Amino acid sequence: AQTVTQSQPEMSVQEAETVTLSCTYDTSESDYYLFWYKQPPSRQMILVIRQEAYKQQNATENRFSVNFQKAAKSFSLKISDSQLGDAAMYFCAYRYTQGGSEKLVFGKGTKLTVNP
Amino acid sequence: KAGVTQTPRYLIKTRGQQVTLSCSPISGHRSVSWYQQTPGQGLQFLFEYFSETQRNKGNFPGRFSGRQFSNSRSEMNVSTLELGDSALYLCASSLGRTGNTEAFFGQGTRLTVV
Repeated sequence: AQTVTQSQPEMSVQEAETVTLSCTYDTSESDYYLFWYKQPPSRQMILVIRQEAYKQQNATENRFSVNFQKAAKSFSLKISDSQLGDAAMYFCAYRYTQGGSEKLVFGKGTKLTVNP
Repeated sequence: KAGVTQTPRYLIKTRGQQVTLSCSPISGHRSVSWYQQTPGQGLQFLFEYFSETQRNKGNFPGRFSGRQFSNSRSEMNVSTLELGDSALYLCASSLGRTGNTEAFFGQGTRLTVV
């Protein structure tokens, strides 16, 4: 079964510092996608960054970057120059195809606090 | 381009009642997925609809059902509500094609069962 594990229920970081959120997943699939979603108090899930499993190069979106280790099934998110607006729940998600349909499996989330 | 719209935003129901939640996807998106989010279980997949057909279903009892209309709008229904059904229900829409497509989420419906 496909599972996603986020081992850090809560993390905190000082404004302007860097923080890394961990995520591991379990799968037997070779073709899949990985995502980090942010959920602020407004509740809307917002896509932060995505990674295609077939790409070796780590994805980067401005201050957000990932460290994708396919063999280790690890997908961590690094937030550089943290801002107050980065405070939110962060969910790691794995997407795979089953029977022509795509399913998203989420981790339990990491609550990130940014201290001024 | 309008985002994913879920209505209502908040709902309070009594045990034993039934409830219907609505999700309007982004224009052009044919896939709508539903998720239940609770503090204890996190985000759990309920089901996915594509072109009015249920393509995939999660591990939820038959009290949870859904449908999709020809305009891709989707509704989910929960019958005989239980206290444990209190949760944030999120829907996500996507083009529905396999590959590098993104799922966009609505703001959710907060259901409280008393």
